[in-house]
Parts: sequence; structure tokens; C-alpha cells
Amino acid sequence: DAKTTQPTSMDCAEGRAANLPCNHSTISGNEYVYWYRQIHSQGPQYIIHGLKNNETNEMASLIITEDRKSSTLILPHATLRDTAVYYCIVRSNFGNEKLTFGTGTRLTIIP
Amino acid sequence: KAGVTQTPRYLIKTRGQQVTLSCSPISGHRSVSWYQQTPGQGLQFLFEYFSETQRNKGNFPGRFSGRQFSNSRSEMNVSTLELGDSALYLCASSLVPAGTEYEQYFGPGTRLTVT
Repeated sequence: DAKTTQPTSMDCAEGRAANLPCNHSTISGNEYVYWYRQIHSQGPQYIIHGLKNNETNEMASLIITEDRKSSTLILPHATLRDTAVYYCIVRSNFGNEKLTFGTGTRLTIIP
Repeated sequence: KAGVTQTPRYLIKTRGQQVTLSCSPISGHRSVSWYQQTPGQGLQFLFEYFSETQRNKGNFPGRFSGRQFSNSRSEMNVSTLELGDSALYLCASSLVPAGTEYEQYFGPGTRLTVT
């Protein structure tokens, strides 16, 4: 079972920041938060991951709360090409744990 | 650097047949994972290989099997196909199966239709 809870869908206006929340209240100390997205008919695309510090890369920023029970993926200037299903995944970087995808958030960017 | 490639991209088979799907990981990546994606069940993990050894396995029947070769290329096989096996089969590669560089890179998938 997925260890995360995400809203089923969200809309965001083109050019605005898209903020996608994720709850992972049972996260343990050695588990990372990963974000992937899947554009229709393509394989999932890795976006970003983090442990406890906020992270930023060329695609997005990841804000993790101090208690690590939730996080937010931020796409700073959403474009139409950001329309996709976004998956938040919790996984340990040690051992034999597999990636477990939940149902994700369907983000629609509105022109 | 070339991405993950999967062949074939599309496949139509009939019930009872078997099928073999192929995945070539990103150069230098040694871990390969397979996933099945259907509208009803979403993305489900099948198995993961690293250095030609299966490290992890999802909850699929024994009809689903896989292997990895010394060059890290991987194949998965489904025998005695059922209608419910119709799905998008995705392969993902990563440098290693654990550690801080675990992020997986997915291929475009093979869409299998069983009639």
C-alpha cells in the first residue's frame, strides 16, 4: 500500500506556481520523499527527492515540513506541458524496498 | 546520454500465448525494475534486478518472470497470457538499487494488448 495521500486532482493557471501537497504522516527516519510525474502515454519522469531539507533543481522545489509528515512540490511557473499525474512516494534508500506508487494528483494547467 | 529503451513499443497477443519484453537501461545503470500499469490498478511493481540477481519481487503470479544480463539489459516474460495482462509495461533503470542516487528513469513502455 502507498504510504502517501495526495489530492485526486488540481488545477493551476498557466504562469502561476503550482503547489502540490502530499501527506506522509507515517514516514520513518530513513525514508526519503520522491516525486515523479507521468504525462499521458509516457513513462513516469523523476522530478526531485529529499530527506528533510528543502531541495531545488531545474524542474521544481520540494518543501518538507519540519516534522516530515508532509511535503509540497512547487512548480514555480507552470506551463501547459506540466499537465500530468504527479506521484509522491516515500521510500527508504536502504534495503530491498520497492517504489510504491499511489494514485497521484492529476494536475491540469489552465491556459 | 540515451535514455531507457524498451522494445517492442506495441504488441498484440492472444490468450494462452507467451511474450517477452526487452529493456535496455541508461548506460552505466545497473539496476532495472519492471512495473505494470493498468487503468484499474495503477502502477504496480513487478520485480527489480541488480547485477543479474532479482532483488525484489511484487505480488504477481509465477507467470511473470524476468532476468537481467551481464550488460544490465533485462527481459521480462509473461507466459499463458490472460486478458487481464493487457497493460503498459514500464521498465526503469537506476545507477544502483539503493543509496542516495536511487532515482529511477523510466522508459516509454511496451503496450501489450491480449485478445
